Amino acid sequence: AQKITQTQPGMFVQEKEAVTLDCTYDTSDQSYGLFWYKQPSSGEMIFLIYQGSYDEQNATEGRYSLNFQKARKSANLVISASQLGDSAMYFCAMREGRSSGATNKLIFGTGTLLAVQP
Amino acid sequence: EADIYQTPRYLVIGTGKKITLECSQTMGHDKMYWYQQDPGMELHLIHYSYGVNSTEKGDLSSESTVSRIRTEHFPLTLESARPSHTSQYLCASTPTRSYEQYFGPGTRLTVT
Repeated sequence: AQKITQTQPGMFVQEKEAVTLDCTYDTSDQSYGLFWYKQPSSGEMIFLIYQGSYDEQNATEGRYSLNFQKARKSANLVISASQLGDSAMYFCAMREGRSSGATNKLIFGTGTLLAVQP
Repeated sequence: EADIYQTPRYLVIGTGKKITLECSQTMGHDKMYWYQQDPGMELHLIHYSYGVNSTEKGDLSSESTVSRIRTEHFPLTLESARPSHTSQYLCASTPTRSYEQYFGPGTRLTVT
């Protein structure tokens, strides 16, 4: 069964430094996708970045990059030059692959609470 | 990027009441989803829809029901609210030929 594991319940980082949030996944599908979402205290889910299993390059979106290591089944999020507004809960999620019927349903990890300190 | 609306944003209601949480999107997305999230926890899929008149139950069992009569509208109904239904409910949608799910702002439900 597909599973997402985020082992860091909470992280601290100094403003302007980089931080890596860990995510490992388990799937037997060859085709799948990995997402990162940000959830501020207000509750909405903000899409950050997406990596497809066949993408050869690591995904990047502004200050966000996804360190995709397929053999290790990891998809860590790297935030460069942290800002105070980055303080939030971060969720890693996986899209089920075609062997599951291409439902596009997402499976979420338990999240990492990031606190950026001035 | 999608415009997804959820109302109400906050709801406090007594046990036994019937409630409907509204979700609408203006981009014509065919796939829509409902997730339930307890405070500080992960999201769990409770319902999804591939299009009009298509609804399926998600991975987490829920006493709620959904309908999809129009593409843009995906309401969730609880016939008789109970304190165990207290949670945040998030609606999402995905465009055709895309994988990204765009979320609404959520409804925080408290049943007393």
